[in-house]
Amino acid sequence: KAGVTQTPRYLIKTRGQQVTLSCSPISGHRSVSWYQQTPGQGLQFLFEYFSETQRNKGNFPGRFSGRQFSNSRSEMNVSTLELGDSALYLCASSLAINEQFFGPGTRLTVL
Amino acid sequence: KQEVTQIPAALSVPEGENLVLNCSFTDSAIYNLQWFRQDPGKGLTSLLLIQSSQREQTSGRLNASLDKSSGRSTLYIAASQPGDSATYLCAVSNDYKLSFGAGTTVTVRA
Repeated sequence: KAGVTQTPRYLIKTRGQQVTLSCSPISGHRSVSWYQQTPGQGLQFLFEYFSETQRNKGNFPGRFSGRQFSNSRSEMNVSTLELGDSALYLCASSLAINEQFFGPGTRLTVL
Repeated sequence: KQEVTQIPAALSVPEGENLVLNCSFTDSAIYNLQWFRQDPGKGLTSLLLIQSSQREQTSGRLNASLDKSSGRSTLYIAASQPGDSATYLCAVSNDYKLSFGAGTTVTVRA
């Protein structure tokens, strides 16, 4: 069974631009979560979706948004990028709220 | 707010020694606890999942215990190998999200 896939793997953007990251969960998994990982803050929860509904959202500004499609694939969008948004963005999927499986991440660099 | 602490932050041991990694959390109302491994620049690999009703879970050389009432979990890795070198992260689940510790970076010297 294929694992969680994330695209693109690497991105370089400049301040003020926006970016969209994509996540395809493990087949059959309906829950998708997003996390931001930085050296200073560690792993921080962004949001979680289940069957296209956001069930929880972390403490991030409104520039960070997400959505989930009917096939469980998810996207997250960051608008008006700031230098501090440079991070590894990780997506995880699970059947419900059980064991979470993570993808390889998207490394975003904001210049 | 759930706070997760991992001690020590870093650990260096010779090959063959047993590893003991500690994790503590402030809110005992968790759904489960998961241990992960992360190699530099990579995603997270799930090692063990302990449901809140369980006391321990084992997989090969790995054993994790959970004491929900005291807010503690311990990951034991037996007979460490250089390939065990990585950062180990503990995460607790509640309210549809994982709260992570900062991790323990392990170096196993050959």
